[in-house]
Amino acid sequence: AQTVTQSQPEMSVQEAETVTLSCTYDTSENNYYLFWYKQPPSRQMILVIRQEAYKQQNATENRFSVNFQKAAKSFSLKISDSQLGDTAMYFCAFSPSNSNSGYALNFGKGTSLLVTP
Amino acid sequence: GAVVSQHPSRVICKSGTSVKIECRSLDFQATTMFWYRQFPKQSLMLMATSNEGSKATYEQGVEKDKFLINHASLTLSTLTVTSAHPEDSSFYICSARTGSEKLFFGSGTQLSVL
Repeated sequence: AQTVTQSQPEMSVQEAETVTLSCTYDTSENNYYLFWYKQPPSRQMILVIRQEAYKQQNATENRFSVNFQKAAKSFSLKISDSQLGDTAMYFCAFSPSNSNSGYALNFGKGTSLLVTP
Repeated sequence: GAVVSQHPSRVICKSGTSVKIECRSLDFQATTMFWYRQFPKQSLMLMATSNEGSKATYEQGVEKDKFLINHASLTLSTLTVTSAHPEDSSFYICSARTGSEKLFFGSGTQLSVL
């Protein structure tokens, strides 16, 4: 079984600053996917970024980037130039790359991020 | 991007009644759909994986007779909460996987059982 751990229940950052959310995971799989999802107050799940484990290059999406350390099983999310609209719950998630699980996501407990003016 | 429509967005029912939640992929065929449950300020917990035309696979601890899942077509999966009780009150979210392994989420259903 895979576990995803987010050790920061809550974080706060000032507008325009940079913040890093941490995530570690445990798996015996060699190939898998990692994700960061954002859940704003509307509760709609929004994909922020996705990383394929076999790719060494860290994924980036505009102001969002990850630091993927496969050996350490770490997958942190960096948000640069934080904006008020980034205020949300952030979930780290894991999915095996084999079809047996149907590619179901296993989520961490989440980090509540507050961006202040 | 692909759209997953989930209805209703909110439902209030009396204890003992059954409630059906629909999840539709509007512009793609979803061979696999997933149902999650989320309690307030908690994470999403996978309840079951639903494949079109076959029985759903339930996670450990999820009562298959209480949470009936039907995936009769490539664009529709339904979750029926049978004989609902207050402890079933929760936020239910579906997601659908495309053929290219991308995943899209519905907007969720808040169920309140009185």
